[in-house]
Amino acid sequence: NAGVTQTPKFQVLKTGQSMTLQCAQDMNHEYMSWYRQDPGMGLRLIHYSVGAGITDQGEVPNGYNVSRSTTEDFPLRLLSAAPSQTSVYFCASSSIDRLNQPQHFGDGTRLSIL
Amino acid sequence: GQNIDQPTEMTATEGAIVQINCTYQTSGFNGLFWYQQHAGEAPTFLSYNVLDGLEEKGRFSSFLSRSKGYSYLLLKELQMKDSASYLCAVRTDYKLSFGAGTTVTVRA
Repeated sequence: NAGVTQTPKFQVLKTGQSMTLQCAQDMNHEYMSWYRQDPGMGLRLIHYSVGAGITDQGEVPNGYNVSRSTTEDFPLRLLSAAPSQTSVYFCASSSIDRLNQPQHFGDGTRLSIL
Repeated sequence: GQNIDQPTEMTATEGAIVQINCTYQTSGFNGLFWYQQHAGEAPTFLSYNVLDGLEEKGRFSSFLSRSKGYSYLLLKELQMKDSASYLCAVRTDYKLSFGAGTTVTVRA
């Protein structure tokens, strides 16, 4: 009963390094999304996808790339890490067949940029 | 743009009732969700409202008034395990916009 799986759980990077945060779901959900959560600011949408091959920008997309080659996977790439990207990152997925379907969240990736 | 407001913190006593308010101004509306998030954990779904009125789920109830752009989450018979952040989120198309969350502390 995996649900949404994020890896890694923790990561420390140096400024300028790149990395990919992994997200996989086994519920055959069409919709997947990435959020960042910072103290006092709530969850902010970075990028989202409504199906394989389809992605779009959210509220705070700068510095991040995504792709959706399969229904299951939705990786988030940091191109050149900056200290302002220190945050907790959550991946979420949901079905889109009914509006009342909630988003299911992964356990998060805690990322520190030095 | 989306504007979703909720109080930052609330404190209540074990066994009491707490009401967390959420006001919103959004471009589009396809429903309002409440999530619970314990410290260091992922948000988990509590309730969904799309029509005006009250939805009850055990100790938790959620109310919506679309004309007023207002919702509340009511937590009854508070338990220590209810100490957490409560997130109000408005759905527009498929996307969710979240408020900053309300941290509820339950005291013995």
